[in-house]
Amino acid sequence: EAGVAQSPRYKIIEKRQSVAFWCNPISGHATLYWYQQILGQGPKLLIQFQNNGVVDDSQLPKDRFSAERLKGVDSTLKIQPAKLEDSAVYLCASSLDGTAEAFFGQGTRLTVV
Amino acid sequence: RKEVEQDPGPFNVPEGATVAFNCTYSNSASQSFFWYRQDCRKEPKLLMSVYSSGNEDGRFTAQLNRASQYISLLIRDSKLSDSATYLCAVNMENYGQNFVFGPGTRLSVLP
Repeated sequence: EAGVAQSPRYKIIEKRQSVAFWCNPISGHATLYWYQQILGQGPKLLIQFQNNGVVDDSQLPKDRFSAERLKGVDSTLKIQPAKLEDSAVYLCASSLDGTAEAFFGQGTRLTVV
Repeated sequence: RKEVEQDPGPFNVPEGATVAFNCTYSNSASQSFFWYRQDCRKEPKLLMSVYSSGNEDGRFTAQLNRASQYISLLIRDSKLSDSATYLCAVNMENYGQNFVFGPGTRLSVLP
């Protein structure tokens, strides 16, 4: 069974530029999560989708971050404009539903310079 | 109070030792609990789910204490390959159902 796919693996951008990350969850998984993980910390939930609806985006900095899952399958997370403190690994995860275990993609390592 | 807290670590233990990690959660309505393992520069990988009755998988034992709102992970006969960061995850069911991680506890098993 294919796992969660993310791209790109690495991205370096200058501050104030924009960037987008893509995630394709495991087939059949209704729930999709985006996390931000700063070095030395646990993953921080940014947004959770159930199919194509948002369940929780309380920790998403909405002035600069946006995410969508238009057809209830793959998802895109965008940052515009990026700040230095956005340097982190962005992890996508999916689960069958909101109570089951989540499986992670390899993540996108973002460096903002 | 943070939603999910873990032992600060790091834990440095010799091979063969038994080590235990604790994780506390703030939402008493939480329903699902998990332990993940994360190697350096890798994504978290599910180690085991935590059931109300407790569960064991080889050298690993997970337990849940709902009254005190904590989960634990016990590793027996530590191997060098157990060196990693251990993350607990809790389904918080705040706004719907969301999956919150603790900060992680780093384990180094020494030869």
